Amino acid sequence: SQTIHQWPATLVQPVGSPLSLECTVEGTSNPNLYWYRQAAGRGLQLLFYSVGIGQISSEVPQNLSASRPQDRQFILSSKKLLLSDSGFYLCAWSVGTVNSPLHFGNGTRLTVT
Amino acid sequence: DAKTTQPTSMDCAEGRAANLPCNHSTISGNEYVYWYRQIHSQGPQYIIHGLKNNETNEMASLIITEDRKSSTLILPHATLRDTAVYYCIVRKQGGSEKLVFGKGTKLTVNP
Repeated sequence: SQTIHQWPATLVQPVGSPLSLECTVEGTSNPNLYWYRQAAGRGLQLLFYSVGIGQISSEVPQNLSASRPQDRQFILSSKKLLLSDSGFYLCAWSVGTVNSPLHFGNGTRLTVT
Repeated sequence: DAKTTQPTSMDCAEGRAANLPCNHSTISGNEYVYWYRQIHSQGPQYIIHGLKNNETNEMASLIITEDRKSSTLILPHATLRDTAVYYCIVRKQGGSEKLVFGKGTKLTVNP
């Protein structure tokens, strides 16, 4: 069966420090991959999605970037964190077929201090 | 922006059916209705989806009106663990089409 792994589960970083969050999927090939963010008390916002290696689509302009160096690996990065980057970051995957549901990881709770 | 309207909150007694409504009056013919839920501090969990026919799985039933302008998610025997925010989402047909989350309905199951 397919599984998705996100780490770390929680992270506290100072303003101006870099960020790297990793997500990997097991048990499937060529998944669609997604990064969402949920700020405190707010809804889930799609940040990036990828339909293949090296293919990244950005939904909103921001201080973050995403990369997909391998088929089942999706990385969210920042060179310099802002206070507004705090939030709950969720990775998700779906198979590349019509109307496949997205399946989410357990998320990383990032606090920028 | 989300294309659905849901009540902000609902309550349900444990053991009773929970019926969560959703309006999607501008839904297009190639758009599906998806339901997810998010238990506090966890990632969203997929529940069910459908196009125009009613759907049922081990978690819930989805009833879509004939004109497809609204739907209802039914949890047949709610438990305390079903307390969560429930999201109704309209999603275009396609392999990589993204999910756009609204504010959802906070369902509280009471003992």
